[in-house]
Amino acid sequence: GDSVTQMEGPVTLSEEAFLTINCTYTATGYPSLFWYVQYPGEGLQLLLKATKADDKGSNKGFEATYRKETTSFHLEKGSVQVSDSAVYFCALDQTGANNLFFGTGTRLTVIP
Amino acid sequence: DAGVTQSPTHLIKTRGQQVTLRCSPKSGHDTVSWYQQALGQGPQFIFQYYEEEERQRGNFPDRFSGHQFPNYSSELNVNALLLGDSALYLCASRYTGQGLYEQFFGPGTRLTVL
Repeated sequence: GDSVTQMEGPVTLSEEAFLTINCTYTATGYPSLFWYVQYPGEGLQLLLKATKADDKGSNKGFEATYRKETTSFHLEKGSVQVSDSAVYFCALDQTGANNLFFGTGTRLTVIP
Repeated sequence: DAGVTQSPTHLIKTRGQQVTLRCSPKSGHDTVSWYQQALGQGPQFIFQYYEEEERQRGNFPDRFSGHQFPNYSSELNVNALLLGDSALYLCASRYTGQGLYEQFFGPGTRLTVL
């Protein structure tokens, strides 16, 4: 069945450090891939998405590239800020009907 | 725009009881999905409602049921509560006519079963 494996956290970085959160997936066919972010006390927010191989999603300085050959969708940011502290979830949608399958989440803490 | 709203914010129940959670979708949205997020885990899809009917269902027992009203709001009902039902319950809404991926989540209802 479908599965999403995320880099285990928590991750603690200093402000302006480079961020990578790894995500790999198992799915039949060609799923769409997403990164969601959950700030403390808030609902999940879509951070970025990619719907086909080699697509690059980007938003707020974050980027992720859909790599079909490695079944990966790693999240990167060149310079993190304290305000980026949150839990990040990788997710896939196999059916195209927004039935999302989430990874377990990676907690990021950025210290000044 | 109020976005997706959920009530109540927190709820404490005992084993065997029944609970109803409520969701109001973002203005203009007509499809509502429910997810269960256990502590330290990612959300798991429960079911999705559109045009007042359940359209998709995840791997959850029949104790979990739902309803969608003509104004697109939705309820999640859980019967015969178990300790393992303790979780954050998330509601998400979208408009069917737009791109498939613009789904908005509410802040959730924290259910504790004692």
